[in-house]
Amino acid sequence: QSVLTQPPSVSAAPGQKVTISCSGSSSNIGNNYVSWYQHLPGTAPKLLIYDNNKRPSGIPDRFSGSKSGTSATLGITGLQTGDEADYYCGTWDNSLSAGVFGGGTRLTVL
Amino acid sequence: EMQLVESGGGLVQPGGSLRLSCAASGFTFSSYWMHWVRQAPGKGLVWVSRISTDGSSRNYADSVKGRFTISRDNAKNTLYLQMNNLRAEDTAVYLCARGYASGYYYTVGYWGQGTLVTVSS
Repeated sequence: QSVLTQPPSVSAAPGQKVTISCSGSSSNIGNNYVSWYQHLPGTAPKLLIYDNNKRPSGIPDRFSGSKSGTSATLGITGLQTGDEADYYCGTWDNSLSAGVFGGGTRLTVL
Repeated sequence: EMQLVESGGGLVQPGGSLRLSCAASGFTFSSYWMHWVRQAPGKGLVWVSRISTDGSSRNYADSVKGRFTISRDNAKNTLYLQMNNLRAEDTAVYLCARGYASGYYYTVGYWGQGTLVTVSS
């Protein structure tokens, strides 16, 4: 059972938009920055969003992040088949004194 | 080019020990917090441990506390994870990861591809 809650799967058609939610508590998301990662099996995960809504160099602006209270959201517009992957949110938990990830969301581009 | 290359994984019996290494290159290793994250077969990413730039601060997930020890050798640009009293549920790919930038102590920015640890009799 992950500390951060994500939907197991989401799907949308190519070119459409999708959002992935990440729900936590005041001990984690509520008081810390959230990051988002893309992970294709067999490869190294990739950072998509850090500090809630910032994109590292090289990440297209199709990817966006937001945070409100104890929840965060990853948005992906203009979906491409290459976006099919597992997506994880992550942050720090002050009560656990540990890093925490969501359980992951499998994105299918139909 | 920045690289993180893990090694030391393998098959170990329950109760056994293993030491993982992560060789870092392409960046100033001593300036970054470092992490270990694991992924059990068919499961999601799980944070395991982190260590500060000089090794003075370390944190662990409850599931490994008292059994795993994270350390680093800044002279050798290498991160370690000593794993003792291994259990079947420790079976996973272990990924070495670097803080996103200097000063980022919990945001993971870059990852290696991992090394597989299998705990089985």
